[in-house]
Amino acid sequence: DTAVSQTPKYLVTQMGNDKSIKCEQNLGHDTMYWYKQDSKKFLKIMFSYNNKELIINETVPNRFSPKSPDKAHLNLHINSLELGDSAVYFCASSQRRTRKETQYFGPGTRLLVL
Amino acid sequence: DAKTTQPTSMDCAEGRAANLPCNHSTISGNEYVYWYRQIHSQGPQYIIHGLKNNETNEMASLIITEDRKSSTLILPHATLRDTAVYYCIVTDAGGTSYGKLTFGQGTILTVHP
Repeated sequence: DTAVSQTPKYLVTQMGNDKSIKCEQNLGHDTMYWYKQDSKKFLKIMFSYNNKELIINETVPNRFSPKSPDKAHLNLHINSLELGDSAVYFCASSQRRTRKETQYFGPGTRLLVL
Repeated sequence: DAKTTQPTSMDCAEGRAANLPCNHSTISGNEYVYWYRQIHSQGPQYIIHGLKNNETNEMASLIITEDRKSSTLILPHATLRDTAVYYCIVTDAGGTSYGKLTFGQGTILTVHP
């Protein structure tokens, strides 16, 4: 009965490969997010979808493409992986309401690009 | 979103209260103060949030000064499992920021026996 789940938990791949990370939430929320936490532990937002519509798109290389097939899922596809993409990627969800959003985070996907 | 300033690290003895300060002198009237924490290797976890009144829940208490320029998160009886990085975030979450949370460096709280 995990609220926000991510697959895979660990991902080790070679430079230049294309990979996807999946996220699912069973909280009935209408908004989902992707965050990246780099080796220095800074946590930064990448994207956010509300009701399958992209509402936050930070300065992220266009090799990163989020896809939201429905409100419960937000996937992250990464093309032509680079060494600098190695990080922990967290998915989160919330129910959008004026100034009282609380985000629930998944366990993270640890991506290592060799 | 307003910027926050937190001490880099703090220590606390198990069973004692942990008081984590946060300065947010540029906070605007429609911005809330949120606290999240990240236990090692886990995703961030929501703790509490408030606008101007003090708040308490099963995890912690949040004290916001009258001018709203600073706040304190209080863990009344810290346990070893409370060892984590604590983030103070100011945002109009749900408003024009569309839920964007800007995480700073946070405070590394170490609870020792």
